[in-house]
Amino acid sequence: QSALTQPASVSGSPGQSITISCTGTSSDVGNYNLVSWYQHHPGKAPKLIIYEVSKRPSGVSNRFSGSKSGNTASLTISGLQAEDEADYHCCSYAGSSNYVFGTGTKVTVL
Amino acid sequence: QVQLQESGPGLVKPSQTLSLTCIVSGGSLSNANYYWGWIRQPPGKGLEWIGYIYYSGSTYYNPSLKSRVTMSVDTSKNQFSLNLSSVTAADTAVYYCARGSGGGGRYFDSWGQGTLVPVSS
Repeated sequence: QSALTQPASVSGSPGQSITISCTGTSSDVGNYNLVSWYQHHPGKAPKLIIYEVSKRPSGVSNRFSGSKSGNTASLTISGLQAEDEADYHCCSYAGSSNYVFGTGTKVTVL
Repeated sequence: QVQLQESGPGLVKPSQTLSLTCIVSGGSLSNANYYWGWIRQPPGKGLEWIGYIYYSGSTYYNPSLKSRVTMSVDTSKNQFSLNLSSVTAADTAVYYCARGSGGGGRYFDSWGQGTLVPVSS
């Protein structure tokens, strides 16, 4: 299976909203509502911020939201803050007890 | 709050077997609600799912790595392990252990800090 496609980088100013796309195929993203997103500050453990396309774990800011259309899932960060500067990774179930991650996106707060 | 910590050698030579252990604290490996997995990130690249193991010993591996991967679980020590055989420089990566939640491990809700494993002679 191939990695899901994410933009290498996305940037925005504090207070703005940004959206990160995660494009897969009809065998993974398009076929299951099992997309999750992870925030990863370098040197730290990745953190789950969205699961099952649009659900937020307890304690995760409501500035993070997820959605899906066809073979593309999206993560939106609203009210961008300096602390949001990190790498973001999507992941999808791909059938047959198999999972595939995205290529990763670096978010820069200008 | 469950915590996971990877441990293993700092360097592995090409063609050898990479062995890592993940120690779980603050929660039981035998909890039937969770799967236990390994994920890696090569330098400058995205994350790659390696596989899962259930407390019963059932395993699920990434098809691209399946021929070289073996996972095991030791519930008495509350830890699980990864063996990756015949490594090459392409296996150089930060290796993470993680807990899979949501019925079949649908998402990874707790992660270790990761350990860098260079493959070099």
